[in-house]
This record gives sequence, C-alpha cells and structure tokens, in this order.
Amino acid sequence: DAGVIQSPRHEVTEMGQEVTLRCKPISGHNSLFWYRQTMMRGLELLIYFNNNVPIDDSGMPEDRFSAKMPNASFSTLKIQPSEPRDSAVYFCASSANRGASYNEQFFGPGTRLTVL
Amino acid sequence: QKEVEQNSGPLSVPEGAIASLNCTYSDRGSQSFFWYRQYSGKSPELIMFIYSNGDKEDGRFTAQLNKASQYVSLLIRDSQPSDSATYLCAVKGWTGTASKLTFGTGTRLQVTL
Repeated sequence: DAGVIQSPRHEVTEMGQEVTLRCKPISGHNSLFWYRQTMMRGLELLIYFNNNVPIDDSGMPEDRFSAKMPNASFSTLKIQPSEPRDSAVYFCASSANRGASYNEQFFGPGTRLTVL
Repeated sequence: QKEVEQNSGPLSVPEGAIASLNCTYSDRGSQSFFWYRQYSGKSPELIMFIYSNGDKEDGRFTAQLNKASQYVSLLIRDSQPSDSATYLCAVKGWTGTASKLTFGTGTRLQVTL
C-alpha cells in the first residue's frame, strides 16, 4: 500500500509568492494532520482534520496560511503571500481514528520549502 | 515552560551500550505517550507507544512511564550505529475526536563505533 503522498518534495520560491502544498493520505484514514518542522521550534502541528472537517487550526501561524480538505483523499496547505520565515519542512500525516487510546500517525516524506 | 521537553543532545553512546532518552511533559491530563525516530532528511516513524505506568518492552527498546512525575523515557539496549537518529517524544492529550500529538524538539542520538 502507498503511504502518505506529498507534493512537491522541494519548493523554492520568492517572497510574496503563493505556495500550495499537497497531500494524499493513506486510503481509509480519516484524520489528517499538517505539521511544520524547523530546527528552532521542532515539529509543530498546524492544523488537523477529522472526516474532512477542520478540528483544530490553533497552530496556524497567521492568516497567510490556509488549509482545505475537499475530500477524504486530498488536502492542501496554502501560504499566501510567502515569507522567508516560512522556510521549513512541512509534513502531512494521517491516521485511522477509531477511538482507541492511540491512533498511529503515519507521516509523508515532507515538502522542503525555501522562501528567498 | 514547553509542553513537552527533551534534551536536544547530541547524546553519544558507544556501540553495544544502553542509550537512555528522557522526556518530561506539563499536562497532567495527558493520556498516551509516543516515541518517534527520525533519520536525517526523513520523516518521523513510530517506534514505541505507552499509556500505562511502568515499562513496556519491544525488542531492544523499552519505554518507561511515570505519570506522577510526568516523565517518560526510552531505553535502547545494545545500541547500534543504525540507531543514530533524532528521537522525538510525543504526548497525546485529551481530545474527543482525534489523536492530537504534541512533540518535543527531539534528542539527537549518536552511536559511535
């Protein structure tokens, strides 16, 4: 089975440009998470969806960031306009939320974003 | 105070030794605790989880949890060079609908020959 798929794997853009990151979760998983990882702040949860509905977006840095999940197999994270401080690795993860005490999150390969 | 704290390291241990990685958390309502391993340039992968006080063993790995002290640790026995990676501690608080995890910044482990 394919794991979590993210695209692009690398993105270099100039300040002010719009950036769209894409994620396809594992088939059958109903929870999807967007994370950002930097050396200084580590792995931070930006937003997560359950059954395509945004549950908690308190980690989204500011209005420049937005995320959508139009269906169970696709999600986007958009940054508009991008700034150099947005440079980081962005991970998408998915899990099968079955109400257990834990639901393992499977991470995609990440998108390395560089904003010049 | 950060919600989940780890020593950033690097923690250097010789091959064959026991590596001990530690993590403290601030939310007493936390329910489950996870250890993820992340190789350089790769994504995190789950290696252990624990939700009851005490020890949980899986091969060379042992997770230890002490909820009273808000402390969780990971022991790696017979450390191998392939264990060299960053180890992320993650904590699941109480949420009604999904497993939201809060991660520490990770401890970098170096296993030397």
